[in-house]
Amino acid sequence: NAGVTQTPKFRILKIGQSMTLQCAQDMNHNYMYWYRQDPGMGLKLIYYSVGAGITDKGEVPNGYNVSRSTTEDFPLRLELAAPSQTSVYFCASSYTRQGARETQYFGPGTRLLVL
Amino acid sequence: GENVEQHPSTLSVQEGDSAVIKCTYSDSASNYFPWYKQELGKRPQLIIDIRSNVGEKKDQRIAVTLNKTAKHFSLHITETQPEDSAVYFCAAPQGGSTLGRLYFGRGTQLTVWP
Repeated sequence: NAGVTQTPKFRILKIGQSMTLQCAQDMNHNYMYWYRQDPGMGLKLIYYSVGAGITDKGEVPNGYNVSRSTTEDFPLRLELAAPSQTSVYFCASSYTRQGARETQYFGPGTRLLVL
Repeated sequence: GENVEQHPSTLSVQEGDSAVIKCTYSDSASNYFPWYKQELGKRPQLIIDIRSNVGEKKDQRIAVTLNKTAKHFSLHITETQPEDSAVYFCAAPQGGSTLGRLYFGRGTQLTVWP
């Protein structure tokens, strides 16, 4: 049971380039999330998904896109990288039942530097 | 959305002393309050959580208290050890919704000196 996995671990992008951050979980969780973590700013929700085919915006969605074609995978797409997107990106998942909140499990993170 | 404030931003204690971190939230319908620990370069991991139907929860040296009237909850670490040094985040959900959205505090850097 690998839990939540993310690739790559680290990436340097030039301004205007695009890339996809990969996230997968093998815990059969229904909910998946993408957060970004900037120094001293905690975790900000970018996008989340409550199941395959369903996604919604979080607090800071601008400049990102997501898709959820399977229960296991939740990739995050950056179309035109900007220096403001330099951050550490965490994917997370949870099994959230109606009326009950459950623990979010985080992946190891992807460190992105945009120059 | 929910507004979560966390204090202090940094906390230094001597080994064996207690540490207390406090968070306030804005949405009175919030009903679930987790605490995450993040060691340097690692992922956040849940250490304890509390639901709105209880006022206190303990797990060995860690406890969380909740005051729904005042809309604040606190993390208490007793008999601190150097391995407790990390950044601690509190979080609260958006209202009473079953959706999983959490709003995180900015974090508290705890340093335990031997």
